[in-house]
Amino acid sequence: GQQVMQIPQYQHVQEGEDFTTYCNSSTTLSNIQWYKQRPGGHPVFLIQLVKSGEVKKQKRLTFQFGEAKKNSSLHITATQTTDVGTYFCAGPLIQGAQKLVFGQGTRLTINP
Amino acid sequence: DAGITQSPRHKVTETGTPVTLRCHQTENHRYMYWYRQDPGHGLRLIHYSYGVKDTDKGEVSDGYSVSRSKTEDFLLTLESATSSQTSVYFCAISDTGVFGEQYFGPGTRLTVT
Repeated sequence: GQQVMQIPQYQHVQEGEDFTTYCNSSTTLSNIQWYKQRPGGHPVFLIQLVKSGEVKKQKRLTFQFGEAKKNSSLHITATQTTDVGTYFCAGPLIQGAQKLVFGQGTRLTINP
Repeated sequence: DAGITQSPRHKVTETGTPVTLRCHQTENHRYMYWYRQDPGHGLRLIHYSYGVKDTDKGEVSDGYSVSRSKTEDFLLTLESATSSQTSVYFCAISDTGVFGEQYFGPGTRLTVT
């Protein structure tokens, strides 16, 4: 079936190291969203990408949308302990349906 | 935080009993969603609503029903709870459907024994 695959599932880094999570869709997406969920919390929206090849930055976070609009990445430069959590990508896989499909998430842990 | 609440926040129930979870919003958003979250599966959509009395199935709808009689309330019912429905349930709301931010509620942790 239609899927959004996210890798890696887990990532452990030393504080100050960089981190990247990748998201791949089986179909072309009209847009892709990224969410962060802190341990014990609820998902919180980070950003939405719409255009082919789009790159957006939020301080140390860089988000990219692939040229074919089937993949995306989130890169964090110089991680801090506040970056701990699970990062999800999500996209609308079915044209015309107002529902998102979420990737399985990448859980980031950081050694201070 | 968006005005979205879920009740109850925690519930333990026995196999075979009916359970209803409530999502309440004060934002007047059109779209409302029910997800379940399980380790290794991320967030999976159960049902969603695109207006009062308008609902549609998600990817894991078997064993669940929903109702939305008012803009602000979206109810999720487990007709006869099973242990496989032990999960954390999140409600989300959106004003723009898939073309904008979804705001999530705090979640309900349901345990079926």
